[in-house]
Amino acid sequence: EVQLVQSGPVVKKPGESLRIACKASGYNFANHWIAWVRQLPGKGLEWMGIIYPGDSYTRYIPSFQGQVTISVDKSITTAYLQWSSLTASDTAKYYCAVGGSDKSNYYALAIGPWGQGTLVTVSS
Amino acid sequence: QSVLTQPPSASGTPGQRVTISCSGSSSNIGNNLVNWYQQVPGTAPKLLIFSNRQRPPGVPDRFSGSKSDTSASLAISGLQSEDEAHYYCSVWDDSLNGHVFGGGTKLTVL
Repeated sequence: EVQLVQSGPVVKKPGESLRIACKASGYNFANHWIAWVRQLPGKGLEWMGIIYPGDSYTRYIPSFQGQVTISVDKSITTAYLQWSSLTASDTAKYYCAVGGSDKSNYYALAIGPWGQGTLVTVSS
Repeated sequence: QSVLTQPPSASGTPGQRVTISCSGSSSNIGNNLVNWYQQVPGTAPKLLIFSNRQRPPGVPDRFSGSKSDTSASLAISGLQSEDEAHYYCSVWDDSLNGHVFGGGTKLTVL
């Protein structure tokens, strides 16, 4: 069974750094895209970026480029989403999800299953 | 403001058929494959339809997707109370060079 288990909720102060995790199991981690999606409180879904674990090829949605870093550790089948300096506007729930195995077909990517989400709260 | 336009709300009674639209442009829906996601309140989203009209294993055939030109639709027949959720369309946008979601439609089962 494909499963994505995300790290727990976190409360941080503005300016702090953060890395949240997404542990994958039940499939060939290296050969399937992983996507990260943001959901602001009471709002809709937003794509943030995708990564192909096999070679860590990463594509960011332009509005998130330079704001976050997506990475993986293949040895422990875990994907990460990282911030170097959080702001209050980063308060949201963040989801990871697994995509297809065709590295060249990222534009047709459908994602699922999804992790349970990680709630990040940034407050002074 | 998303480049994909969905009605903010929709409703129907049990057993009824409802459709949810997703309107885009030639740079997204008109040139790429559309996916649909369901998010039941308080839970993670779930892939409902991929590649315009394909259903993943386990998704009932009450759910169907279609696409025409720069618009896509999700149809739900035999509406059930458990279908009450938010529904999002998603597609690659050639101009933005990235994936986008529609704003989402909240479906209420009356």
